[in-house]
Amino acid sequence: DTGVSQNPRHKITKRGQNVTFRCDPISEHNRLYWYRQTLGQGPEFLTYFQNEAQLEKSRLLSDRFSAERPKGSFSTLEIQRTEQGDSAMYLCASSARGALYGYTFGSGTRLTVV
Amino acid sequence: AQTVTQSQPEMSVQEAETVTLSCTYDTSENNYYLFWYKQPPSRQMILVIRQEAYKQQNATENRFSVNFQKAAKSFSLKISDSQLGDTAMYFCAFITNYGGSQGNLIFGKGTKLSVKP
Repeated sequence: DTGVSQNPRHKITKRGQNVTFRCDPISEHNRLYWYRQTLGQGPEFLTYFQNEAQLEKSRLLSDRFSAERPKGSFSTLEIQRTEQGDSAMYLCASSARGALYGYTFGSGTRLTVV
Repeated sequence: AQTVTQSQPEMSVQEAETVTLSCTYDTSENNYYLFWYKQPPSRQMILVIRQEAYKQQNATENRFSVNFQKAAKSFSLKISDSQLGDTAMYFCAFITNYGGSQGNLIFGKGTKLSVKP
């Protein structure tokens, strides 16, 4: 068990570019979550997968954001046409028993849009 | 609206002493779960303690314990015998469970705890 792995750890991109982040959950965890954390705030929910199905999306997830989890394993979060307001830490978490029992978080991907 | 309020943006405590972090929340649901998560500097967030709202007994995990006051919608975290490794951001969070349909984990803004030697 190597924990939840997120890549890259840091990403600096120019406004208008597309970026993609990857999350590898704990192998036996079928539930995967994406959160966004801006400076001075707690994490905010973005989206939730159970296996390969995306079961819930937040209103925060605009049309420029898309997430996938092919084959129910790793997940990717893509942001198209990045804006400065997208600068944040993007956290991935996974769980075997569901959110009621707590998550295992990854270390996050810090995105800076310049 | 469901919200979590952590009224102490920063706190400090001397090593080996006890500190209490405050948290209040607002929900109209009766079935929910409460959590404290710890986020050390530049490291991932980890679960510290979990409380089921229908249980009256306060949860404890080694040096960490909670004071859960359901009527007051208060969920404070007590850290006993503070250690330097307890230095971190602490986030209070809750999730509702209505009819088997889970809500999303809602976090407060966090309290930055510094343990001083």
